[in-house]
Amino acid sequence: DVKVTQSSRYLVKRTGEKVFLECVQDMDHENMFWYRQDPGLGLRLIYFSYDVKMKEKGDIPEGYSVSREKKERFSLILESASTNQTSMYLCASRTTLGLGYTFGSGTRLTVV
Amino acid sequence: GENVEQHPSTLSVQEGDSAVIKCTYSDSASNYFPWYKQELGKGPQLIIDIRSNVGEKKDQRIAVTLNKTAKHFSLHITETQPEDSAVYFCVGTGTASKLTFGTGTRLQVTL
Repeated sequence: DVKVTQSSRYLVKRTGEKVFLECVQDMDHENMFWYRQDPGLGLRLIYFSYDVKMKEKGDIPEGYSVSREKKERFSLILESASTNQTSMYLCASRTTLGLGYTFGSGTRLTVV
Repeated sequence: GENVEQHPSTLSVQEGDSAVIKCTYSDSASNYFPWYKQELGKGPQLIIDIRSNVGEKKDQRIAVTLNKTAKHFSLHITETQPEDSAVYFCVGTGTASKLTFGTGTRLQVTL
C-alpha cells in the first residue's frame, strides 16, 4: 500500500523555536507538497517541489522554508515559530504525469 | 491563479437521502476537477475526478457533474450512509499543475 508518512501527529512548540516537519513517501513520486489546513479556509499551499533540490513557493510561503535533499523526503521548516502558525500541516505527493495527490495523515502543530 | 468557491460549508442529511455539494471556479483553462474526502484524523483522499471533456461521471453512489460554460461542478452522493460523514473538498487546477482546494463541506449523515 502506497504511503506518505508524516513523522509526528501532534507537536507543541514554543514561540521562536525552529520547527522541522518531516514527510516521507515510498512511491518514488517526483512532486511533493506542503499544505496547511485551517477551519473555513480549506487547504492552502505553502511550498512544493517538482524534484530533488527543487522548490517553489506556494500561496502562503511567508515564515516557512523547505528542504528536498532526497527524492522521498520533503521537510517543512518554521524558522521562528509564531502562534499564527498553529495549524494542521498536510504533506502530499504525486508523480509528474499523475493528477491525484496522496496525502499523509497530517501533523497538528500548536505554537504556544 | 485559480479561485475555487464551495458551498455549503456544512450539510446535514438523513441516512438514505441525497447530498449535493457545489463549486465554482475562475480559470477557464482548468481541465481537471477532483474531489477529496477527509475523514476525522486522516488526510484527504481522492474519491472521484472528472476531466473537462466529459459532463458527468459516476462511481456507484457518487457522481460528479461539470458545466464548463458556467464554470461550476458538483458532487452528488445518493443513498447516504453514516460512513459518508466527512469533510469534502472540491479542487481546481487552473493553468498551473498545483491544486487549488475549496474551503470544504462538512457532511453529517444522521440516523
